[in-house]
Amino acid sequence: AQKITQTQPGMFVQEKEAVTLDCTYDTSDQSYGLFWYKQPSSGEMIFLIYQGSYDEQNATEGRYSLNFQKARKSANLVISASQLGDSAMYFCAMREGRDTGFQKLVFGTGTRLLVSP
Amino acid sequence: NAGVTQTPKFQVLKTGQSMTLQCAQDMNHNSMYWYRQDPGMGLRLIYYSASEGTTDKGEVPNGYNVSRLNKREFSLRLESAAPSQTSVYFCATGGLAGGYNEQFFGPGTRLTVL
Repeated sequence: AQKITQTQPGMFVQEKEAVTLDCTYDTSDQSYGLFWYKQPSSGEMIFLIYQGSYDEQNATEGRYSLNFQKARKSANLVISASQLGDSAMYFCAMREGRDTGFQKLVFGTGTRLLVSP
Repeated sequence: NAGVTQTPKFQVLKTGQSMTLQCAQDMNHNSMYWYRQDPGMGLRLIYYSASEGTTDKGEVPNGYNVSRLNKREFSLRLESAAPSQTSVYFCATGGLAGGYNEQFFGPGTRLTVL
């Protein structure tokens, strides 16, 4: 079974609108972490936001927020007020187990977001 | 601070040739990782090094070897390249940021095996 599932291969949004990118995960660990990365066309991986499984509040970083629904095992990324520069691939990733200095990440297959003027 | 650097940026090999991808970090992180990215498959872990002197297999280690030369450097070697190893390779390091551990990625190496 896929540990990280991103069911939207592509999403379109107009500039200034909000968009939600879906991510569901599968783990039997009680302690885990969820990450979102952005990959623009230039190819680098840019960290966006992190949610720990014991964090009671949804993570937020500027225009990015993570809608964490633990019972449903979902960790959707919400981008508010989309900008043209948000056009990129977005990857959801999970660390299983406690947050130690070493962690193996499992990535989803990504969602390509296109922001139109 | 350069962060995580990878060399080369691009490489074309013929089937059966060997090469080593280099990765270096100046972030003083203990853990380092090698991933490959194929279209439609996200990133998959090839090998990792939890700390200097240790290495271990990830999800897709076949056809690769690694060396953790010191705390700064972690190299990935293809002994006999195959077309199936055509991919983009990312090196990453792991360290604390904002109260939790995060991975920091290098710019990637685009490898084509003919």
